[in-house]
Amino acid sequence: QVQLVQSGAEVKKPGASVKVSCKTSGYTFTDFYIHWVRQAPGQGLEWMARINPKSGATKYAPKFQGRVTMTRDTSISAAYLDLTRLTSDDTAVYFCVRARETYYLESTNWLDPWGQGTLVIVSS
Amino acid sequence: QSVLTQPPSVSGAPGQRVTISCTGSGSNLGAGFDVHWYQRLPGTAPKLLIYGNENRPSGVPDRFSGSKSGTSASLAITGLQAEDEADYYCQSYDTSLSGPTFGGGTTLTVL
Repeated sequence: QVQLVQSGAEVKKPGASVKVSCKTSGYTFTDFYIHWVRQAPGQGLEWMARINPKSGATKYAPKFQGRVTMTRDTSISAAYLDLTRLTSDDTAVYFCVRARETYYLESTNWLDPWGQGTLVIVSS
Repeated sequence: QSVLTQPPSVSGAPGQRVTISCTGSGSNLGAGFDVHWYQRLPGTAPKLLIYGNENRPSGVPDRFSGSKSGTSASLAITGLQAEDEADYYCQSYDTSLSGPTFGGGTTLTVL
């Protein structure tokens, strides 16, 4: 079955960077978009970034532009999220999630399935 | 502040029907983009509940149904069960964001 397994929890100091991984299995990695979505404590879900694993093309939410980089390694069917210049506002659970096949219009995408989530705590 | 607006909470007794609204604008629901719904049980990742406004993935009970009209959408849950206690999120596409956008989430309490 389709699975997305994320790396473990991280504790970082303000100003540091964090890299979260998402290892996929059960489907052809290059055929489906992968997104990152986060949820801060007491807040809703917030879209951050997406990648086309075949081409490597990325798209970022304006709020995170300049601070976020999404990459992939097709040899191991994994996606990564790099977030720099961390502040306490970045404390959140970060989810990777698969979307639809890349030949569909992005505007029609729903997100399924989701990784288990990675807690990132930013604290001095 | 979320782009899509949901009520923070709804509640109902077992067996009752509840609805959760999701209100957008001309850059998302009003532009004709579909709405999708997710259920997040405590301590778990979100799970797709409804896609394409009204479609249920395999395994989702037909007690859950969705609809969309103009800039608004609704999720209806009939025959409420204790296991339905969760947070529910709507999602669509937003042209301003050039990506997915979510509602703030609604906590369902089964009394």
